[in-house]
Amino acid sequence: ETGVTQSPTHLIKTRGQQVTLRCSSQSGHNTVSWYQQALGQGPQFIFQYYREEENGRGNFPPRFSGLQFPNYSSELNVNALELDDSALYLCASSLTERLNTEAFFGQGTRLTVV
Amino acid sequence: DQQVKQNSPSLSVQEGRISILNCDYTNSMFDYFLWYKKYPAEGPTFLISISSIKDKNEDGRFTVFLNKSAKHLSLHIVPSQPGDSAVYFCAASERNTPLVFGKGTRLSVIA
Repeated sequence: ETGVTQSPTHLIKTRGQQVTLRCSSQSGHNTVSWYQQALGQGPQFIFQYYREEENGRGNFPPRFSGLQFPNYSSELNVNALELDDSALYLCASSLTERLNTEAFFGQGTRLTVV
Repeated sequence: DQQVKQNSPSLSVQEGRISILNCDYTNSMFDYFLWYKKYPAEGPTFLISISSIKDKNEDGRFTVFLNKSAKHLSLHIVPSQPGDSAVYFCAASERNTPLVFGKGTRLSVIA
């Protein structure tokens, strides 16, 4: 059974650029959620995708967008990067579309915006 | 305003003793609570959960206690082992809403 995998593991971008982060969900999981974890903070919910549709969204601006593909893998896109977007981005997959279920997390992508 | 608070950034415990990690919340509508453990360079791993209809849930060495009147929950690890050294996150939610995480407590178990 393959766990949740994210790519890349580390990324450095310049303010104003755009970035795409990728996530492969755990085998059999049809729901993917994305979280932002700033330094010294807990993970903060960005949005969730269930069967290729956005199924819930946290308090993040529209420049944070996502996609889910038929194989349930997912992308997080962030446009017009700001310095405060520097954080660990975590992807989590689960078997159910419930927003508060226990989910399986990937190792994260560390994004640094300079 | 933080709805889930873990007021102790770090905790050190001797191997074999009890570790108690605390979590307070402000939203009285929260009805589902989870604990996650995170090792460096890994994603958080689900540990244990509790629904608001219970006041205790146990899984091996891990027990979570919920005090709804005090809006407080705690995670007990007995006995503590060096492999338990990690950052522990408390998370809560109201019905089917996204999890709200605390800032985490770093547990160090000293051999």
